[in-house]
Amino acid sequence: ILNVEQSPQSLHVQEGDSTNFTCSFPSSNFYALHWYRWETAKSPEALFVMTLNGDEKKKGRISATLNTKEGYSYLYIKGSQPEDSATYLCASYNDYKLSFGAGTTVTVRA
Amino acid sequence: DAMVIQNPRYQVTQFGKPVTLSCSQTLNHNVMYWYQQKSSQAPKLLFHYYDKDFNNEADTPDNFQSRRPNTSFCFLDIRSPGLGDAAMYLCATSFQGLSTDTQYFGPGTRLTVL
Repeated sequence: ILNVEQSPQSLHVQEGDSTNFTCSFPSSNFYALHWYRWETAKSPEALFVMTLNGDEKKKGRISATLNTKEGYSYLYIKGSQPEDSATYLCASYNDYKLSFGAGTTVTVRA
Repeated sequence: DAMVIQNPRYQVTQFGKPVTLSCSQTLNHNVMYWYQQKSSQAPKLLFHYYDKDFNNEADTPDNFQSRRPNTSFCFLDIRSPGLGDAAMYLCATSFQGLSTDTQYFGPGTRLTVL
């Protein structure tokens, strides 16, 4: 993996259902992995910063895991609500900067 | 309560007409960043300032310049906008620019080039 990649690009989920999506990043020279949530017409806001292999972070119904050896992170949304509709960006820190993926856009259908 | 402010939120300019986007912060952070995001693509770092030290990304076109007159303000100047410069421009700050430092973003300026 040379760049930060996110899949899928977009997904639709029914209200109340759970979902998850992936961020892949270069595993060499890993420092930190950031997750951001970006709602339409608002500023991207930080969700998690993760550094350790096997790390798990949780914020309400949203959680994330990190595998630095194979270079991936999963973000999970449990019991999706309409307010979870947003683009979720991940970014890997390397060479004194964040390199972002293109995001996964989540739409929660009522 | 706004911590990183970008003005304007929407900017329309003509092909070749210089344009300036502005960013201000109330966090007193040392580092300020400018990102360009084109539709469905990853935000791309153009440059950043650590205090007064300017750091340009190698692939940022010369058409893009930046100024940071003080801690609170940072400007993005596009000297001769082309159609390909139409994008969302995001400003962000962080305390020290370390690997675990959160970046705080403004809401972005969407630039249209006619």
